[in-house]
Amino acid sequence: RKEVEQDPGPFNVPEGATVAFNCTYSNSASQSFFWYRQDCRKEPKLLMSVYSSGNEDGRFTAQLNRASQYISLLIRDSKLSDSATYLCVVGAAGNKLTFGGGTRVLVKP
Amino acid sequence: DTGVSQNPRHKITKRGQNVTFRCDPISEHNRLYWYRQTLGQGPEFLTYFQNEAQLEKSRLLSDRFSAERPKGSFSTLEIQRTEQGDSAMYLCASSLVLGVKTEAFFGQGTRLTVV
Repeated sequence: RKEVEQDPGPFNVPEGATVAFNCTYSNSASQSFFWYRQDCRKEPKLLMSVYSSGNEDGRFTAQLNRASQYISLLIRDSKLSDSATYLCVVGAAGNKLTFGGGTRVLVKP
Repeated sequence: DTGVSQNPRHKITKRGQNVTFRCDPISEHNRLYWYRQTLGQGPEFLTYFQNEAQLEKSRLLSDRFSAERPKGSFSTLEIQRTEQGDSAMYLCASSLVLGVKTEAFFGQGTRLTVV
């Protein structure tokens, strides 16, 4: 089993719609959680950290469920520019960061 | 530019040659990571440093790969006797570790093609 797993997608989303997807992690001792965005042939860029109480940044909402060992990302009012691959990142004890395989999102007009 | 810098951006090499990549992290960051990414996959962990100490190296990494961070600032990743399977994007990231806060920032990567 992979340490961090994501549905690869693609999630085809009409412009203006809401899309949500999860990421599961296997290490119950994980302490830090992030979502990164990666555009084609570019480096990953930090989208948001995920805090235990859940957090929101504009149209993006992240949630952490420690009991079930998953984090989620919800995008409201999707824009064409939201089309990208979203990478889930989990930090274990000692803070090695492990990436999931990414979820591809395609927002269409 | 105060972000993470990687050089070269692109490298084409013949199979069997050695290559070395450089990463300059954000100046106050104490942690530095190397990842490898192939098309359609997420970044795969290679190794990471806390200051000059190498804390972990992936078991997937053969002995042909070595990384250093001699003064706790820039880092180099060397691949000896390159193989076609080494073709990938090599990403460097840095972070300032304060407690559990470990947000990492990436350089633009070095794209390696082994022919």
